[in-house]
Amino acid sequence: QKEVEQDPGPLSVPEGAIVSLNCTYSNSAFQYFMWYRQYSRKGPELLMYTYSSGNKEDGRFTAQVDKSSKYISLFIRDSQPSDSATYLCATNAGGTSYGKLTFGQGTILTVHP
Amino acid sequence: DGGITQSPKYLFRKEGQNVTLSCEQNLNHDAMYWYRQDPGQGLRLIYYSQIVNDFQKGDIAEGYSVSREKKESFPLTVTSAQKNPTAFYLCASSNTRMGPQPQHFGDGTRLSIL
Repeated sequence: QKEVEQDPGPLSVPEGAIVSLNCTYSNSAFQYFMWYRQYSRKGPELLMYTYSSGNKEDGRFTAQVDKSSKYISLFIRDSQPSDSATYLCATNAGGTSYGKLTFGQGTILTVHP
Repeated sequence: DGGITQSPKYLFRKEGQNVTLSCEQNLNHDAMYWYRQDPGQGLRLIYYSQIVNDFQKGDIAEGYSVSREKKESFPLTVTSAQKNPTAFYLCASSNTRMGPQPQHFGDGTRLSIL
C-alpha cells in the first residue's frame, strides 16, 4: 500500500464547476500537507501549504485537512480552463525527515469552456 | 528573479553513456532535491542534500550520482547502470532554517534514450 493515495482521475468538468481533489495517507506521523499544480512539461507549482487540521483558503482554492481520518482535499471554486493541469498532493513528517516529501500519483483535471 | 534553473530542457542518452543534468538555484536555500517523474507514478525522490558537501540517498538512488560542492548547485548524473532512465527529472529546493518549508521546483529535464 502506498503511503499517499490520490484519486488518479482523469477529471473533466465544465467551466464554473466546483472541483474536489482528494488524497488519503496512512502514516500518522505526517504533519505537513501541500498541494501542487503542474502544467504539461513544467515543474510543480506550490498552491497550498498547511500543517493543521481544518480549512485554509486562498482565493478560489481551499485546502482541507482531517488528521483523524488521514484525509486531505483541495477544492477549486468557479473553475476556469486555466485550472486544467495535474494536481499533486504531498506530505511529510517534519522533524529530521522534513526534507522527504511523499507525493500522491497526481490527478489530471480538465476544465472545458 | 529568484528561482531554480534546470538544463538542458531535453536530453538524449546513448546506451552505455553517462549524462549530467544541471540544477542551479538563487533562492539561497540550504536543501536541494532530485525527483524522477514517470506517468501515473507521481514524484519519487532520488537524492537530497541538506548542506554543502553532504547528500543522502532517496528511494530510488540506484544508477544515479550527485555532488553538492556549492550551495547553489546540485547536478545529477544518470549513469549507464540506470537501465530505465527515460523520465522527467525535477530538481527542487527548500529553506530549512525556519523548520519544514515547502519545496520549490524547476521546470524539469526530459531524458530519453536514443
